[in-house]
Formats: sequence, C-alpha cells, structure tokens
Amino acid sequence: DAGVIQSPRHEVTEMGQEVTLRCKPISGHNSLFWYRQTMMRGLELLIYFNNNVPIDDSGMPEDRFSAKMPNASFSTLKIQPSEPRDSAVYFCASSSRTGSLNEQFFGPGTRLTVL
Amino acid sequence: GENVEQHPSTLSVQEGDSAVIKCTYSDSASNYFPWYKQELGKRPQLIIDIRSNVGEKKDQRIAVTLNKTAKHFSLHITETQPEDSAVYFCACLGGYNKLIFGAGTRLAVHP
Repeated sequence: DAGVIQSPRHEVTEMGQEVTLRCKPISGHNSLFWYRQTMMRGLELLIYFNNNVPIDDSGMPEDRFSAKMPNASFSTLKIQPSEPRDSAVYFCASSSRTGSLNEQFFGPGTRLTVL
Repeated sequence: GENVEQHPSTLSVQEGDSAVIKCTYSDSASNYFPWYKQELGKRPQLIIDIRSNVGEKKDQRIAVTLNKTAKHFSLHITETQPEDSAVYFCACLGGYNKLIFGAGTRLAVHP
C-alpha cells in the first residue's frame, strides 16, 4: 500500500484565493482526520470522518474552512477565501476501527503558504 | 473534556544519556496510548504504543510505561543518539477512534 496520499505537497497562493487540499486514505481504513500544524499552535485536529460521515468539525477555525468525503477513498479540505494566517502544514491521517487497530497513519502533508 | 498534558516542552541531553517525556490524560475510559516522532519537515510517525492491559512495553532503546490509576504515561529513551532529535507527541484514544495529542516535546541530543 502507498500509504496516505496528499496533494499538492506545496501550495503557494495569494490572499483571497480558494485552496483545495486532497487526501486519499489507506485502502480499508474507515476513519479520516484532517490536522493543521503551526509552530505557534502545534498539531490541531480540524475535522474527522468515520465511514465518510463527518463526526466532529469543532476544530474547523472558521466558516471559510470546509471538508468533504464523498467516498471512502477521497477527501478534500477547502479554504475559501484564504488568508495569510492559514499558512501551515495540513496533514491528513487515516486509521481503522477494525478489531484493536487504532494506529493513525499520517500523509506527507501539504505545506500551504498564503501571501 | 478530553485533554492530554505533556512535559517538558523542550529537552536537551548529551548523546548517551537517557530522556524521559511524561504525559497525563483526563479521559479514564481511554485504553490506547501511542507515541509519535516527527523529524524536521516530516510527518508524525508511530514509534511505540501501549494498551491499558499492560503497564510497560519495550522496543530496543525505547520504552513506555502506563499508570492507569494515576492517568499518566511516559516515554523513556536510553542511550540517546543524535538521530533521536525530533519532536515527540504523546496521545490517547478518544471517541470515534480520535487521538488526543499532547503539545509535543522537542528533544535535542547533542554529540
């Protein structure tokens, strides 16, 4: 398995533009998590899905952020409009609730810079 | 609510010394406690985990201990090496397979 796949790996955009981050979880995993990491705020959980259903989006900072999971193999995190303070590394992670398996596998991250 | 506190936030040791990182958690129902290592510019990766039916687990130079009564667990790294330098995160399992992460410990191992 290729692991969790994220795209793009780097994104540089201007303030006000729409940004879409993409994630493909590990096949067979039924939980998917979006995190944001900055030096100031550390690793923050933004939203997570179980069986494609959003369970808790209380970590989403503002209405400018939205996430979808249309099927078990794809999720998006969208920021519209983007602002400089959104600059961070965004990680997607997936895990399986089957049996006692709880390990979360992280993708390589998307480094977002909003100018 | 669910919370994990991690100490210290930074730790500096000499190569060959031991390093200990401690975490406390609030959810007494949690039964899974992983530790992740994140090297500079890389993703967090699991290095060791422990479940609540055991008190200690070892894997070569790293070990984790768990005290469920006191709700704290610790990571021990012996004979530290420069390549151990990284940020370490503890976590505990919350509802719906969510992990509650600590704030991280930046470990620096000096040659």
